[in-house]
Amino acid sequence: AQTVTQSQPEMSVQEAETVTLSCTYDTSENNYYLFWYKQPPSRQMILVIRQEAYKQQNATENRFSVNFQKAAKSFSLKISDSQLGDTAMYFCAFMKPLDDMRFGAGTRLTVKP
Amino acid sequence: NAGVTQTPKFRVLKTGQSMTLLCAQDMNHEYMYWYRQDPGMGLRLIHYSVGEGTTAKGEVPDGYNVSRLKKQNFLLGLESAAPSQTSVYFCASSPPAGELFFGEGSRLTVL
Repeated sequence: AQTVTQSQPEMSVQEAETVTLSCTYDTSENNYYLFWYKQPPSRQMILVIRQEAYKQQNATENRFSVNFQKAAKSFSLKISDSQLGDTAMYFCAFMKPLDDMRFGAGTRLTVKP
Repeated sequence: NAGVTQTPKFRVLKTGQSMTLLCAQDMNHEYMYWYRQDPGMGLRLIHYSVGEGTTAKGEVPDGYNVSRLKKQNFLLGLESAAPSQTSVYFCASSPPAGELFFGEGSRLTVL
């Protein structure tokens, strides 16, 4: 079974600074997908970014980017120019094609003014 | 734009009672999922379905049953609720190999 590990239960960052959230995963598969989801206090799960394992280029979405290291099985999320609205739980997730999605335990991020 | 709708949003049960959580999606997605979220444990998969009439067990299926009689609906049942099933439950749907779209969650408390 695939496992996803987020080693940072909590992190904080000053507004406008940059923060990186870590995620590692364990799989023997070569083709898979990785995701970062955000869960603000509203409890709604929101997709932040998605990466296909066959793509070497790291995905970016505005202030959010990933550092995907396939050999190391690492998938970190970098948030640039942090904003107060980025305060949330962040979940890393793994999915094989035509299979279910498995999540890490989450990292609680607080952006301080 | 309804997306994924879960009912009820909140429920309090006594130990041994039964209940059903309903999930409905209007995006014509093949895949549907039920997760539970507990502090420090992220989202854990209970059951999922890859199409109408099919279901499969996830990581934590014990004490739950599911049914997918219609493509747009995925029901999660608790036959005899236990305090360990106190949690927030999320339903999600997706196309194959696509991102998951989540409902707003249902908070269940078992006394």
